[in-house]
Amino acid sequence: QKEVEQDPGPLSVPEGAIVSLNCTYSNSAFQYFMWYRQYSRKGPELLMYTYSSGNKEDGRFTAQVDKSSKYISLFIRDSQPSDSATYLCAMSSNYGGATNKLIFGTGTLLAVQP
Amino acid sequence: GAVVSQHPSRVICKSGTSVKIECRSLDFQATTMFWYRQFPKQSLMLMATSNEGSKATYEQGVEKDKFLINHASLTLSTLTVTSAHPEDSSFYICSAREMTGSYEQYFGPGTRLTVT
Repeated sequence: QKEVEQDPGPLSVPEGAIVSLNCTYSNSAFQYFMWYRQYSRKGPELLMYTYSSGNKEDGRFTAQVDKSSKYISLFIRDSQPSDSATYLCAMSSNYGGATNKLIFGTGTLLAVQP
Repeated sequence: GAVVSQHPSRVICKSGTSVKIECRSLDFQATTMFWYRQFPKQSLMLMATSNEGSKATYEQGVEKDKFLINHASLTLSTLTVTSAHPEDSSFYICSAREMTGSYEQYFGPGTRLTVT
């Protein structure tokens, strides 16, 4: 079993739709949860960062963490064609520590149709 | 924001040759740099963690003699793929972490390696 599971998609939605992206994980030691956006042939860029459980909102993006279910989500409101990219979840048990090792999901390919 | 560059962006080499990939933090000093490999439709897999001035720490299953990592300064790390084979063809991405403040990793744009 992979430590982090993520549906690879592809996910196609019309412009303006609410998008829900999810990851599940098996390692209860994970405390830090990130969402990255990766455009084709580019490196990932950090979108959202959450520590432990709870919600975090930043503009059209909301990240949710449910540690009891080992489930995290990223919601995108009023989706735009420019949001079309691969979204990767990443997790760490020791983000600020010496190793700062991130475990990534496979990424979900999102296409927002104009 | 912090910028990380990689060079080259893509490289094609013949089987048996060696290829060097550079990772630079352009506007900050990075005590730690990370090297990842990403196969199509798969997640980023950490290959090694590189600390400036010390030997890199390799993940299980990654051959240290094949993937040579040098982190000679606070702004530069290099990955050399030695005696490359077609199965080494992949997307190699580095990330860098600042010395102070946020522990965020900033990712480079990646290097597409194709071994023929």
